[in-house]
Amino acid sequence: ELKVEQNPLFLSMQEGKNYTIYCNYSTTSDRLYWYRQDPGKSLESLFVLLSNGAVKQEGRLMASLDTKARLSTLHITAAVHDLSATYFCAVDFQGAQKLVFGQGTRLTINP
Amino acid sequence: GAVVSQHPSRVICKSGTSVKIECRSLDFQATTMFWYRQFPKKSLMLMATSNEGSKATYEQGVEKDKFLINHASLTLSTLTVTSAHPEDSSFYICSATYGASGLQETQYFGPGTRLLVL
Repeated sequence: ELKVEQNPLFLSMQEGKNYTIYCNYSTTSDRLYWYRQDPGKSLESLFVLLSNGAVKQEGRLMASLDTKARLSTLHITAAVHDLSATYFCAVDFQGAQKLVFGQGTRLTINP
Repeated sequence: GAVVSQHPSRVICKSGTSVKIECRSLDFQATTMFWYRQFPKKSLMLMATSNEGSKATYEQGVEKDKFLINHASLTLSTLTVTSAHPEDSSFYICSATYGASGLQETQYFGPGTRLLVL
């Protein structure tokens, strides 16, 4: 069964702190995506990770992919309030462009 | 670039009526479009994959007669919820991809359509 699991599902943190969201998946894939969703809105693409060891960074967010461990991480550095949102990882199994999404991590950053 | 629009953004309808949702790729030709459904505070579930000029491929458990998908052109796909019931109330999101080599790396998502069936 194709499964994508995120951890934690809820995260409340203070501005200026660092934290990591984890995304585990059940079957081999070398395409993993991270998205951001604000309340009532659609998805904004953050990162596309296409190979083992891929690391991408944009501002205070950095994503990495370990295909052998079937694990991706989204690291937040020195969090700011504007990063409050729900973050989803999604895996493209078998290159079919059929994305299976994780449950989402609801991130709240408090001043 | 890579903008996807949906119309309407919000719709309220009576139980038993049909509702059509449009998904358009505004600045590219989308060889493949996808329809997702999202319940409140839940993740996205893929409903179907649609390629221009061919029948949509539905995911297991999705009723093809209830959720009619038409992909008439490279820039337009429609989802029609037939004989809608309150349990069909949800947030429906479409996405689209390019077909050219090197560009089929990500899906571009529309803004979503919130459907409320009374």
